[in-house]
Amino acid sequence: GAVVSQHPSWVICKSGTSVKIECRSLDFQATTMFWYRQFPKQSLMLMATSNEGSKATYEQGVEKDKFLINHASLTLSTLTVTSAHPEDSSFYICSGTDLYGYTFGSGTRLTVV
Amino acid sequence: DQQVKQNSPSLSVQEGRISILNCDYTNSMFDYFLWYKKYPAEGPTFLISISSIKDKNEDGRFTVFLNKSAKHLSLHIVPSQPGDSAVYFCAASVSGGYQKVTFGIGTKLQVIP
Repeated sequence: GAVVSQHPSWVICKSGTSVKIECRSLDFQATTMFWYRQFPKQSLMLMATSNEGSKATYEQGVEKDKFLINHASLTLSTLTVTSAHPEDSSFYICSGTDLYGYTFGSGTRLTVV
Repeated sequence: DQQVKQNSPSLSVQEGRISILNCDYTNSMFDYFLWYKKYPAEGPTFLISISSIKDKNEDGRFTVFLNKSAKHLSLHIVPSQPGDSAVYFCAASVSGGYQKVTFGIGTKLQVIP
């Protein structure tokens, strides 16, 4: 079945540095990629929607200059957390979609110290 | 405003019995509903879905019921197995496909052997 490979699965970084999270769709072409984050005891919250070859659409309250999304091809989308701060520590997860549904990556646990 | 609500944060059920997970939604535009299962440190995996033109969808041990007038859906698992222990997310979207999915906060199910 469809698989989205997400890397890294966990990362610890220093405050002020940038972290890149990569999602690759295997065996299918993800025309649209959704990026979510989940804080403890909260729901998965949509951050942004990206379509291949175009700019991402960000949800209200999500800083587009801080969370850079690149969807350069139908099989690769990246999220870069720039100038990370401790409050950015969260679980980030991507979801690729085609005509048949949504397939999630395994998620990235980001800890900013 | 939480458009998809799962009011029970946790549920414990004896092995072999029925598990019933509930979900309410407020947005009357939602017409496609999904349930995801999530194990710790993994991404959500798709379980079952239902379109608003139906009131029931069954897949093996899993059945989803939709009551549009009450804006309520439920997931029934019967018989429950220890391997079903996970967090279950209810999700909804408008017209499925490429549209973004709105998630509930999740219900942690524990099936006791």
